[in-house]
Amino acid sequence: AQRVTQPEKLLSVFKGAPVELKCNYSYSGSPELFWYVQYSRQRLQLLLRHISRESIKGFTADLNKGETSFHLKKPFAQEEDSAMYYCALVASGGSYIPTFGRGTSLIVHP
Amino acid sequence: GAGVSQSPRYKVAKRGQDVALRCDPISGHVSLFWYQQALGQGPEFLTYFQNEAQLDKSGLPSDRFFAERPEGSVSTLKIQRTQQEDSAVYLCASSPQVGSGRAFFGQGTRLTVV
Repeated sequence: AQRVTQPEKLLSVFKGAPVELKCNYSYSGSPELFWYVQYSRQRLQLLLRHISRESIKGFTADLNKGETSFHLKKPFAQEEDSAMYYCALVASGGSYIPTFGRGTSLIVHP
Repeated sequence: GAGVSQSPRYKVAKRGQDVALRCDPISGHVSLFWYQQALGQGPEFLTYFQNEAQLDKSGLPSDRFFAERPEGSVSTLKIQRTQQEDSAVYLCASSPQVGSGRAFFGQGTRLTVV
């Protein structure tokens, strides 16, 4: 069975500070990892996925198989980044059902 | 429609009442997922459909929960004899193809059992 752990329930930073939202996973096979974001009063939406190796809204995430981590990073936080962030794992070759972490609330102060 | 649509957005049920939650996925999406999200928690998997086939219902918490997608498009999650612990946001998501891993979410139905 797969599991996603987001150790921080809340992360509070000032505008312009670097941000790192932690995500660790457990899965014996080859996973696909995703970050989803939920802004206030909006639906959950995909932010980025590791296979795309892209930067979205200045955020990046690198899959580290040795540490089983997929931390989300941004060098300079903006107030509009304030949201709930969820890390998710899909077991490739399995049922392709996304498994989510409990989420981290990011608050960026002016 | 442009996205996944869920109705109703809010539902208040008296304990013991039956409820039905509807999900309209994006047209043509093969995969459909239901999740339950309690306050302060992440989405917890309930059940998964591929077209009209319910391939996984391992997350349904009890036999009071039932889901269907008879024609491979609209899905309904039914909860019988609701209990207070059923209070949560119920999320529906769809995905264009099997194995894409990417899910498009609806806005959810907030169920409150009183």
